Amino acid sequence: DQQVKQNSPSLSVQEGRISILNCDYTNSMFDYFLWYKKYPAEGPTFLISISSIKDKNEDGRFTVFLNKSAKHLSLHIVPSQPGDSAVYFCASPSYNTDKLIFGTGTRLQVFP
Amino acid sequence: EPEVTQTPSHQVTQMGQEVILRCVPISNHLYFYWYRQILGQKVEFLVSFYNNEISEKSEIFDDQFSVERPDGSNFTLKIRSTKLEDSAMYFCASSVGQNLYGYTFGSGTRLTVV
Repeated sequence: DQQVKQNSPSLSVQEGRISILNCDYTNSMFDYFLWYKKYPAEGPTFLISISSIKDKNEDGRFTVFLNKSAKHLSLHIVPSQPGDSAVYFCASPSYNTDKLIFGTGTRLQVFP
Repeated sequence: EPEVTQTPSHQVTQMGQEVILRCVPISNHLYFYWYRQILGQKVEFLVSFYNNEISEKSEIFDDQFSVERPDGSNFTLKIRSTKLEDSAMYFCASSVGQNLYGYTFGSGTRLTVV
């Protein structure tokens, strides 16, 4: 039962270019989405979020877009930097509970 | 910056043994969680804890698992009789409020059951 899906396990991008990480969800009751970044041997750290009342949220180099009709969200990183190399998870709080449903993650590699 | 602290960072145990994973959440946080990530898989919810009791648990969190907040600062996860398939990274997390801006995660305990 994969309610949150990240279909690309990995992405490789040159430094300075745009990284686009995608996430699809199946449950239309999800109304809040978060992106987490995870380095090896560390816990996930919160990056950026978006509420379903918006279609875009921007924070510095990071922008998240939400397309509710397509049940799709994406994280854009511009410009990408080598320090952005990590695993990125999208997640959503399960409706009416306090647990987060995570996607499987996308490993981003930014090369010089 | 406040952080969630987990100990040990790595635990190796024999199958059938009991393990206790320890966490010190951020001091003003009220909600506490355990998640795990089996190698190569997604991060999965195990249990949430609020007001000194379990508020929700997943089907993974069976009778072999228990949580406790013994002294108002530590938050522990106990696995009574470990199985090989319990090998995973276990992450503790805490939050101020429910579902507000996600949680703060600890850096995890890698549990290896041999």
